[in-house]
Amino acid sequence: SYELTQPPSVSVSPGQTASITCSGDKLADKNNCWYQQKPGQSPVLVIYQHTKRPSGIPERFSGSNSGNTATLTISGTQAMDEADYYCQAWDSGTWVFGGGTKLTVL
Amino acid sequence: EAQLSESGGGLVQRGGSLRLSCTASTFTLTNYAMNWVRQAPGKGLEWVSGISDSGGITYYADSVKGRFTISRDNSKKTLYLHMNSLRVEDTAVYYCAIWGVYTDSFDPWGQGTLVTVSS
Repeated sequence: SYELTQPPSVSVSPGQTASITCSGDKLADKNNCWYQQKPGQSPVLVIYQHTKRPSGIPERFSGSNSGNTATLTISGTQAMDEADYYCQAWDSGTWVFGGGTKLTVL
Repeated sequence: EAQLSESGGGLVQRGGSLRLSCTASTFTLTNYAMNWVRQAPGKGLEWVSGISDSGGITYYADSVKGRFTISRDNSKKTLYLHMNSLRVEDTAVYYCAIWGVYTDSFDPWGQGTLVTVSS
């Protein structure tokens, strides 16, 4: 079965750039997306189709995808961005989520 | 803003059954493909099942195949998840989410309903 691998945690200082990776076989060939989930809340879509931002998502969120790795980048990270982030992709009739990355803004 | 609401969660014994429902408050679900996703306490997201807008095509994770059934009643504008032979490991918050077939993503999500399976 298809697997997506994320680092369990990433730390960043306020105002700096955070990068969260998601690895999977030929991930660039799939339309991956990213979700943000804050404690006690439902997930929110922040990036879809590799690079697109839904309306209402700040411009500091961006996505890229090359080869086997997708990357969520948060530029000028703010304290409010502290959350869990999940990547997702479709493969062979099933949706797959990465294990999630806890972003800590120190 | 589109809002989804799940209901039907609760405490059930191992081997028991439960039916979850998902409705929309500001729009009709009829036009959308839908999914169920669950999250065990302190764990990550796990996709459970999906269904096309007409209900004619369904998808299941291997972990629930043969035990769970996704369905929809478009006349009642409601999505369902019928859960049988429940296991302790099915304990989780269950979310419904719209499947954007043109965006290949889930947006929006409901607030979730907690299912607890006791041993």
